[in-house]
Amino acid sequence: QLHLQESGPGVVKPSETLSLTCSVSGDSISTSNSFWGWLRLSPGKGLQWIASIHQSGTSYDSQSLRSRVSISIDTSKNQFSLDVTSVTAADTAIYYCARRTYTDGYWALWGQGTRVTVGS
Amino acid sequence: EIVMTQSPATLSVSPGERATLSCWASQNVASNVAWYQLRPGQGPRLIIHGASTRATDIPPRFTGSGSGTDFTLTISSLQSEDVAVYYCHQYHHFPPAPTFGEGTKVEIK
Repeated sequence: QLHLQESGPGVVKPSETLSLTCSVSGDSISTSNSFWGWLRLSPGKGLQWIASIHQSGTSYDSQSLRSRVSISIDTSKNQFSLDVTSVTAADTAIYYCARRTYTDGYWALWGQGTRVTVGS
Repeated sequence: EIVMTQSPATLSVSPGERATLSCWASQNVASNVAWYQLRPGQGPRLIIHGASTRATDIPPRFTGSGSGTDFTLTISSLQSEDVAVYYCHQYHHFPPAPTFGEGTKVEIK
């Protein structure tokens, strides 16, 4: 059964880079023909899509965060990652990784989420 | 960007009673709407996609309806395990970006 598990630092200082990883088990990230994505839930903005990537390397990201986010995929480790640079308090949120099929736009499976707090 | 508006913000329903959640899109999104359930300490769970198709293993008490700009999620007989925040999500205009509603919190009266 497919399972997604996020990992992250918990706390990150303002202006630093937040790095998150999603480990995928139960399916191969390189053969599933899926988009793998990052979304977040914050008190001020609710649920927000951040970025998505396909095993081919095709990726999309949110216009509002584009200059600060980078999504990557590592098929050898069956995981994908997100970097958010120059974080502020507004980046405090629960970050989720999720999966959707290549053709469908909805997120069929989500991880449990990892809480990130930006603070000193 | 399409704005999704949910109502009410909080819904208190007695066990076994019907819960009706509404979601409006600022533009026509056809039937490209999903609903997710978010319980405390868990990740979101897909309930409905295509506005009215139940996801795998979702019980039949959950029903989605609507198209265009007006959508509804109905829980026909509320159970204790249905206590959660429910979010609607449009994926019609994507890219540039899918958008979500602000959520409706469903609680037991």
